[in-house]
Amino acid sequence: KQEVTQIPAALSVPEGENLVLNCSFTDSAIYNLQWFRQDPGKGLTSLLLIQSSQREQTSGRLNASLDKSSGRSTLYIAASQPGDSATYLCAGPSGNTPLVFGKGTRLSVIA
Amino acid sequence: DAGVTQSPTHLIKTRGQQVTLRCSPISGHKSVSWYQQVLGQGPQFIFQYYEKEERGRGNFPDRFSARQFPNYSSELNVNALLLGDSALYLCASSTTGYNEQFFGPGTRLTVL
Repeated sequence: KQEVTQIPAALSVPEGENLVLNCSFTDSAIYNLQWFRQDPGKGLTSLLLIQSSQREQTSGRLNASLDKSSGRSTLYIAASQPGDSATYLCAGPSGNTPLVFGKGTRLSVIA
Repeated sequence: DAGVTQSPTHLIKTRGQQVTLRCSPISGHKSVSWYQQVLGQGPQFIFQYYEKEERGRGNFPDRFSARQFPNYSSELNVNALLLGDSALYLCASSTTGYNEQFFGPGTRLTVL
């Protein structure tokens, strides 16, 4: 059974700082991993999907990596902006469950 | 192209009532999944449907049921509502169910 953990639970950084969000998972047979952004009370916005055959995916200031052997994924955000403030969730499949989620990291970028 | 749509946006019910939530997937997507998200937690998987067949079910009581229609839209039904059913209910669609999932804005259900 897949378990997904995200550390830290909350993070506050000054504007312009580069930062890394961490995600660990227990089932290394994962075939993809997805990162999402969620604004308060809203739905989830897909940021990046990494297939198991890939090691990295990039979109603008975001870069996500996947290391199946260590059961870890990271989301790197470059030159953070106040508009990046949100909760970031990672999730991967497990058996018949399309996505098992972590609890998320709540990011605050201070101007 | 339109994204995943959900209705209603908000809903208030009392304990013991029944509720139906609706989801329309992205055009061309044949898989719909439902998730429950309580405050401060990540979403929890409830159901997945693909081509109108149930493909997976999470650890939720039989009070929860769902179905998918020929146009791939879906309904989630919850009977005998409990206070603990208060949550944000999210719908996601994908082409096959095994690839990138796209979420709707959610339905906020409050049970009083």
